[in-house]
Amino acid sequence: AQSVTQLDSHVSVSEGTPVLLRCNYSSSYSPSLFWYVQHPNKGLQLLLKYTSAATLVKGINGFEAEFKKSETSFHLTKPSAHMSDAAEYFCVVIPYNQGGKLIFGQGTELSVKP
Amino acid sequence: SQTIHQWPATLVQPVGSPLSLECTVEGTSNPNLYWYRQAAGRGLQLLFYSVGIGQISSEVPQNLSASRPQDRQFILSSKKLLLSDSGFYLCAWAGTSGSITPYNEQFFGPGTRLTVL
Repeated sequence: AQSVTQLDSHVSVSEGTPVLLRCNYSSSYSPSLFWYVQHPNKGLQLLLKYTSAATLVKGINGFEAEFKKSETSFHLTKPSAHMSDAAEYFCVVIPYNQGGKLIFGQGTELSVKP
Repeated sequence: SQTIHQWPATLVQPVGSPLSLECTVEGTSNPNLYWYRQAAGRGLQLLFYSVGIGQISSEVPQNLSASRPQDRQFILSSKKLLLSDSGFYLCAWAGTSGSITPYNEQFFGPGTRLTVL
């Protein structure tokens, strides 16, 4: 069965330092992978997506993610954290043979300290 | 550009009362539509999805139901709310035409916070 695991439930960084949010997936086929961000009491906003094109994907707000098939990973990074980045981040997979349904990771809460 | 609306934004209802949440999408035709629930401190659970008018698929058996009376309107309902129905309800759409494809990202509405007392 396809699944996605976010390795950290909570990550805390200082403003201006790098951000790393880790995500591993399990899929029999090449999946579509996404990162979404959710600020408190808001809907989810798409940060970036991977759909079997370039393995390094650039998204909005300076975020990027690298698809590594050998490691079955899709980690989200940002060189320098900003206070406004504090939010919940979800790694999402759409398995190839599951009718387009999203499978969500458990979420990682990012805190940014001044 | 496409936009998705949900209302109400917040709702407090007594146990046993009915529920109707509405979601509408603008700027696209024949979208796939989805209802999710997010319980406090947890991830999203897919409740229903629809690939066209009158076509509803249920993911989780419960006392909720969904309807799609128009192409860009998706309604979540209940006849009698339970305490466990409390949560954050999100509607989403994906751009396609009558079928679910593997690669289309979903775009989410602002959500409705439902509290059942």
